[in-house]
Amino acid sequence: DGGITQSPKYLFRKEGQNVTLSCEQNLNHDAMYWYRQDPGQGLRLIYYSQIVNDFQKGDIAEGYSVSREKKESFPLTVTSAQKNPTAFYLCASREDRVEKNEQFFGPGTRLTVL
Amino acid sequence: AQSVSQHNHHVILSEAASLELGCNYSYGGTVNLFWYVQYPGQHLQLLLKYFSGDPLVKGIKGFEAEFIKSKFSFNLRKPSVQWSDTAEYFCAVISSASKIIFGSGTRLSIRP
Repeated sequence: DGGITQSPKYLFRKEGQNVTLSCEQNLNHDAMYWYRQDPGQGLRLIYYSQIVNDFQKGDIAEGYSVSREKKESFPLTVTSAQKNPTAFYLCASREDRVEKNEQFFGPGTRLTVL
Repeated sequence: AQSVSQHNHHVILSEAASLELGCNYSYGGTVNLFWYVQYPGQHLQLLLKYFSGDPLVKGIKGFEAEFIKSKFSFNLRKPSVQWSDTAEYFCAVISSASKIIFGSGTRLSIRP
């Protein structure tokens, strides 16, 4: 049963703490993405990775970090430098072929910083 | 920088009304275009996509979209909406290097 999993579904953290959000896919996709979704702002791209051991900043990378040590996994760390971390975070993956290049999304993680 | 604009933030329609949601993008090269839908409490899922060929693309649930290159537009249409179409709709574009940009979304509310 192929898909993308994100854990946990809800996450609470104290201000000033780093927190890592998990994203795993078993679709054998090369490309993976992290977005945050805020009301009225749609999905904004944080980081993306086209291949293992490589990643690029998106439009709002400040205060976030990622790693891509394995094809299946693309964890996102929300650091204490992120000024407004409370949000809904979505992970996606994509098969990098012209006719099959749509993204598949995970269920998301809602992060609340207290 | 590339961007995607969805000018309608919230659209309210009665059942059986026709729908058109606007999407404009800014990028001069070859693009692949998508519409995604997010039903309440569910994952984002693909409605339809365009990457080449016929600019009129048909998707799931009776939706279609037309790519007009001269207008940098990819508007979503449905001739007769149903209450179950209540959702948030996102337009997205892939241009180069696998970077995918989304619009801000349009919330569609259908009155029964």
